[in-house]
Parts: sequence; C-alpha cells; structure tokens
Amino acid sequence: DTEVTQTPKHLVMGMTNKKSLKCEQHMGHRAMYWYKQKAKKPPELMFVYSYEKLSINESVPSRFSPECPNSSLLNLHLHALQPEDSALYLCASSRAGRGEQFFGPGTRLTVL
Amino acid sequence: GENVEQHPSTLSVQEGDSAVIKCTYSDSASNYFPWYKQELGKRPQLIIDIRSNVGEKKDQRIAVTLNKTAKHFSLHITETQPEDSAVYFCAASPDNAGNMLTFGGGTRLMVKP
Repeated sequence: DTEVTQTPKHLVMGMTNKKSLKCEQHMGHRAMYWYKQKAKKPPELMFVYSYEKLSINESVPSRFSPECPNSSLLNLHLHALQPEDSALYLCASSRAGRGEQFFGPGTRLTVL
Repeated sequence: GENVEQHPSTLSVQEGDSAVIKCTYSDSASNYFPWYKQELGKRPQLIIDIRSNVGEKKDQRIAVTLNKTAKHFSLHITETQPEDSAVYFCAASPDNAGNMLTFGGGTRLMVKP
C-alpha cells in the first residue's frame, strides 16, 4: 500500500460540534503531519508527529487536538471551531529522516 | 522563521515551450527544497527535490537548480504538455528530514495546446 488515506472526504459541522478527522498509512512511515490549506493558498504546517510523539506544533489553537494512537494512524480532533477554520485539511507522511512527504487526498471541512 | 517567496503567481505557455518558476528563501539554514504539483481538487505530489549539497538535479523534462549563496532555487519544465497544467509549490526546510516544510505561494501554470 503506497497511499495515505483520509476520512471523511467532506465534513460539515456547526461551531458547537465535536468531530474527528482520520488519516492512515501503511508505508511504514514514522513521521506524520497535519496541514491546513485554504483556497488558492499553499499548505500550512500544523503538527508533526515523529515516532508517535508530537514534535512540532505550529502555534495551532487548542480547538484542534492531534492524536497519534499508533504508527499508522493520525487523528485530528475538532471542537468549537470557527467559520474561518473552513479549509482542506491534508495529512502527510514520510520516512523518518527523509524529506519526501506523501500527501493524502484531504478532508474538505466546512464550519457553519 | 523561514519565508519562501515564489514567482510568478501565474504562468501561461504554449505547448512545447519551457516554463521556469523561481523561489527565494530567507533562512540560510534551509537545506532541503522540494517541488510539489497540485492539480485541481487533488493532493500535492512531489515532482522533484534537491538538497543543499547539490546545485542541479534533473528528471526527464523537469530540472531544479539551487543557488545557496543567493538563496534561490528554480524549477524548469521543458517541452511542456497540457497535462503539466496545475499549481506548483516550492518549499524549503531547515532540516534534511524535511519535517518543517514552508511553502511558497504557488504558481498556476497553464499550458495551452
């Protein structure tokens, strides 16, 4: 399996909802990432997990809570989001110590 | 932190012509420079990357050059084809592991048949 998968593809949520995004890879990669991409903008790094430990948090608001339960899975828990959080959320993975990041197809999130 | 500037923001070429996209970076510690292609509604995909110990790298119709002194790197696509139409992002990272990618603003390339 040489792909990163993400579920759901689309998510619509209210500002009081709690939801989770899921990312999975079976390439044996030990680094996993969450990015946020607004329309016509580049991806912005949110979090990096290395060997299942959070290594980088790019000053992301606490309403976004990442979790890496094992080496293949990465979750992003969402709570009390704002409409400006609407975006494409991309997950990526890479071999530890190697540069090439493989991206998933993303979850398009709309916050009403 | 790192800041990556990318030019031009849009580029239109005729099929068969060459396309050049340029990026500059601010952090002299950056040493890994990938280029990603993102088609409409699709995920970003790595097309080529270069590390700071190399000045140029080529893969078929695609080449990347790096000038560490001037802190800029460029993507060259020769013999462009309509399927090259996409948004291209350059990025820079201060570690060889590429964990801390900072992306440029993107270039929308349109190849006219």
